[in-house]
Parts: sequence; C-alpha cells; structure tokens
Amino acid sequence: DTEVTQTPKHLVMGMTNKKSLKCEQHMGHRAMYWYKQKAKKPPELMFVYSYEKLSINESVPSRFSPECPNSSLLNLHLHALQPEDSALYLCASSQVGLRNQPQHFGDGTRLSIL
Amino acid sequence: SQKIEQNSEALNIQEGKTATLTCNYTNYSPAYLQWYRQDPGRGPVFLLLIRENEKEKRKERLKVTFDTTLKQSLFHITASQPADSATYLCALVAGAGSYQLTFGKGTKLSVIP
Repeated sequence: DTEVTQTPKHLVMGMTNKKSLKCEQHMGHRAMYWYKQKAKKPPELMFVYSYEKLSINESVPSRFSPECPNSSLLNLHLHALQPEDSALYLCASSQVGLRNQPQHFGDGTRLSIL
Repeated sequence: SQKIEQNSEALNIQEGKTATLTCNYTNYSPAYLQWYRQDPGRGPVFLLLIRENEKEKRKERLKVTFDTTLKQSLFHITASQPADSATYLCALVAGAGSYQLTFGKGTKLSVIP
C-alpha cells in the first residue's frame, strides 16, 4: 500500500465533462506534485505546490486546474479535456527545505477521454 | 539541450545474475540522482539516492554509482530474482534550490527464471 492515496483509480469522461482528481497524504510533506504519464513514457511534471502555494506550472493547458486546499490534499480539476489528455495522472509528495528528498508517489488515476 | 538517457529500453537477464542499468545525462550539473522502480499500473517507488560527492551507495542487493566526470550513473541488482522484474527510472534534480525531478525514459528489466 502506498502512503499517497489517489481517487478515483479509473475515470472515463467525455470532452465536455467536468471532473476532479484527488490526492491525499498524511506524511506531513509540504511539497506536492502532479505528473502526467503516457504509456511507455516517463512521468512528466505538471505542477508543484510548496506550502500550499503553486510554485511551478510547467506550461500546462488551462483545462487542467490544480488546487491545494490544505497541506494534506491536492486536487486536479479537469474541464473540456481532449483525447490526447488520456494518461495516468500521478500525485507525489515530499519534504521541502532539503533538496535530496525522495518523492512518494500514489498509484495514479487512469484517465480516458472519450 | 538537457538530456537524460537510459540506454536500454529493455534488458533480459537470467535469475541469479547481476543486472546493470545505465543512466547518462548531458547539460546537467545535478546535485544528486535518484533511482525509482515502477511496476505496471503503479506509481514509481523510490529506491536509492546518491549525491554528487558520493561515488557509490548500497542498499541490500542494490548498488548505485555516480560518475560526474563521465556524467553517468550505474544501477546494479545482484543475485537478481524474477520479483525484480519492473521498469527502473533514473531521475535528476538540476540546480541549487530545485526539487523538481526530471525522469529518464526507464529500462524495463525482465529476470528470467
């Protein structure tokens, strides 16, 4: 079992739907991340939150909207997605302040856009 | 441009042998390098971290080396087992003050009984 919990595990949505992905960790980590991973590719960073504030946005389209309501939760709001957005979306967390900290990943949400 | 290359997409080895995976990088000056394991349908799991001033790090059957002159890290699994079959990813954090990871494409290791 991972210490980072992501829900739902699978999501199928149409291009006009609005949905949200959720991520929760209780390790006291103050950095949280969203990654996108396509099949047979490495994870690609989308967003970084540090102390609940957005610190990095890797030029992600505005149809992806992250939110960090508190230090344990991270959401990714989805709206008007495209078929090419189908992928595994991974959440991760780590300590901040020390550069050599490993990241702890959840098992992801498998997203399919119809 | 910056690149992280894991030379083999796939590696097959016999059970009991040592698996050696390679990670090369260009146009980075990494403070440290991490290795992760990813199983199908799961998120990556952290294995080992090595700093720029460390030559070698060990954990049980795993060993990582880091050569900043060659710009290369080697990841070894000794006495490999079928349960070691997975994709192994190297990842770099570039630059002071950054904790943003960039991953290599990974090497899919298959240990054959």
